[in-house]
Amino acid sequence: EVPLVESGGGLVQPGGSLRLSCAASAFSFTTSWMTWVRHVPDKGPEWVANITPDGSGTYCVDSVKGRFTISRDNAQNSLYLQMNSLRVEDTAVYYCARDFDWGALDIWGQGTTVIVSS
Amino acid sequence: TVMTQTPLSLSVTPGQPASISCKSSQSLLHSSGRTFLHWYLQKPGQSPQLLIYEVSSRFSGVPDRFSGSGSGTDFTLAISRVEAEDVGLYFCMQGTHTPRTFGPGTKVDIK
Repeated sequence: EVPLVESGGGLVQPGGSLRLSCAASAFSFTTSWMTWVRHVPDKGPEWVANITPDGSGTYCVDSVKGRFTISRDNAQNSLYLQMNSLRVEDTAVYYCARDFDWGALDIWGQGTTVIVSS
Repeated sequence: TVMTQTPLSLSVTPGQPASISCKSSQSLLHSSGRTFLHWYLQKPGQSPQLLIYEVSSRFSGVPDRFSGSGSGTDFTLAISRVEAEDVGLYFCMQGTHTPRTFGPGTKVDIK
């Protein structure tokens, strides 16, 4: 059983929107901080956003503030990333991951690719 | 917090040691007294995996040939005897300051 499975990536035009989903299983999702990280080949990964276990607190990197929203549904064991006003520079592989210790991400999904291009 | 790594690429003979340096633009010592510097390896075709957390704690299942050290702004990941399965991209990442930030990565391959 794969603990984290992302979906929702694809090709979108600049200015468009996408909603990424991450389905969790085989660990205690409801008590876990969760994170989205994105990675462009040949560059270091970029931490995008994280969310507290109960969803009451969210934090985003400045480059996506006002455009991306992280959320979760603990009843569905699911994490989401709503991405609006997409830019070419948002093109990356997006991973969801569990944060068990202040940025120590111990469980990762397989990633979903987002391509922003006209 | 800007993270830098050196070298950016490393070619190692199997059985030989290797080390990667990671430096942060500000101290990673948290007010709690803990230092949230972590190391990851992304093997070809795979998602990143956690190797070391909080500078020197080896994550579950990580071979003991991997070790981490350092404090403040200077950190090192060492591999005592490199094996073929260790090839990939190594990243440091700080969790002390928001936003969390990663280093640019060090590509390790086998000679």
